[in-house]
Amino acid sequence: GENVEQHPSTLSVQEGDSAVIKCTYSDSASNYFPWYKQELGKRPQLIIDIRSNVGEKKDQRIAVTLNKTAKHFSLHITETQPEDSAVYFCAASIRGTSYGKLTFGQGTILTVHP
Amino acid sequence: NAGVTQTPKFQVLKTGQSMTLQCAQDMNHNSMYWYRQDPGMGLRLIYYSASEGTTDKGEVPNGYNVSRLNKREFSLRLESAAPSQTSVYFCASKATGRSSGGGGEQFFGPGTRLTVL
Repeated sequence: GENVEQHPSTLSVQEGDSAVIKCTYSDSASNYFPWYKQELGKRPQLIIDIRSNVGEKKDQRIAVTLNKTAKHFSLHITETQPEDSAVYFCAASIRGTSYGKLTFGQGTILTVHP
Repeated sequence: NAGVTQTPKFQVLKTGQSMTLQCAQDMNHNSMYWYRQDPGMGLRLIYYSASEGTTDKGEVPNGYNVSRLNKREFSLRLESAAPSQTSVYFCASKATGRSSGGGGEQFFGPGTRLTVL
């Protein structure tokens, strides 16, 4: 089955700096890669996603890049703010199914210091 | 529109006791999922239901059973709870369609924090 590795496990930055979280996946058939943000005590929520036919996607201060050849994808947050502090999860979905079974990475605890 | 709801929010069990976690969604989604979340291990899929009437094992199904009662409801049962099942349990749902090709947003419930003593 699919295996998703996520690094780093913790990331500490100063407000205004950029943050980058990286994930690798094992199954070349995966074609959908979402990122979820989970604030303390809350449910995970989708913040951005990318499909395998696209190399990069941006949404304001957040961007995701995908390298299919190397089987890795990354989340980039620019101009970080204290409210960006949360746990971030990457995930991958195997192509060919319509029910979207996701395999998640282990998570990255991002702390943004004012 | 409540989205995905879960009951209870908190539960403490003794080893060997049984219980059922309830999940319901009002978004007319076909697919539903149960995950457990443990520190440093991300979200791991326990069981999922691609559509009403079907269920399949995920990554960590041992010790659990599920029932897709109807399109709205998907329950998770622990027949004989063990301390290793202490975790936070999340239910999620997703709209499906062949054009999605496996993609699309999963919507999560608020979670159930379960402690097994």
